[in-house]
Amino acid sequence: GAGVSQSPSNKVTEKGKDVELRCDPISGHTALYWYRQSLGQGLEFLIYFQGNSAPDKSGLPSDRFSAERTGGSVSTLTIQRTQQEDSAVYLCASSLVAGAFTDTQYFGPGTRLTVL
Amino acid sequence: AQKITQTQPGMFVQEKEAVTLDCTYDTSDQSYGLFWYKQPSSGEMIFLIYQGSYDEQNATEGRYSLNFQKARKSANLVISASQLGDSAMYFCAMREALISSGSARQLTFGSGTQLTVLP
Repeated sequence: GAGVSQSPSNKVTEKGKDVELRCDPISGHTALYWYRQSLGQGLEFLIYFQGNSAPDKSGLPSDRFSAERTGGSVSTLTIQRTQQEDSAVYLCASSLVAGAFTDTQYFGPGTRLTVL
Repeated sequence: AQKITQTQPGMFVQEKEAVTLDCTYDTSDQSYGLFWYKQPSSGEMIFLIYQGSYDEQNATEGRYSLNFQKARKSANLVISASQLGDSAMYFCAMREALISSGSARQLTFGSGTQLTVLP
């Protein structure tokens, strides 16, 4: 079956502009996660959605970052007034059920964001 | 304190040989899951193998096996018969069952090990 898809694969923007990154999870997966991977770094958790529950935004680095998930499926991560330190690869992952520690997260190919 | 520690920034292995990538973790939870992911230069994170804290046997998936030593809090990945296509960054990650500061049961990742397979 289809895996997690993300678009665009690459995004170059100018400092101060807003950007939207899209994630389409695996069909049937109720949990969706956004992570950020800066150059040469591990993955940093940003935000998590589970079904229709309120998202956990505890990982968002500033109020310039927001995300929504429509209809329990597609998610959009928005970064307002982008800064150069926002340059990173943004990875989306989905899993079948968020409640179990055994649940495996499957990742999309990522969006590489470059802020000039 | 680091929850996941990968002490080998880079490793080299000869093709067809086995290699062990180290991972130690820190948790006070009794219930947790340990995961290994592979990230080739293309950037995608590929799930390799999972080990649950209550699993009595070491996990295996094809050429991948996980050497799980619970008392030492280590979960080393063993790749047998290395292939050139195994060259990639490898991440160890943990997911705890208890909700601590947040509600998300997100994965906590180590800093990764860059594996290079030599022909």
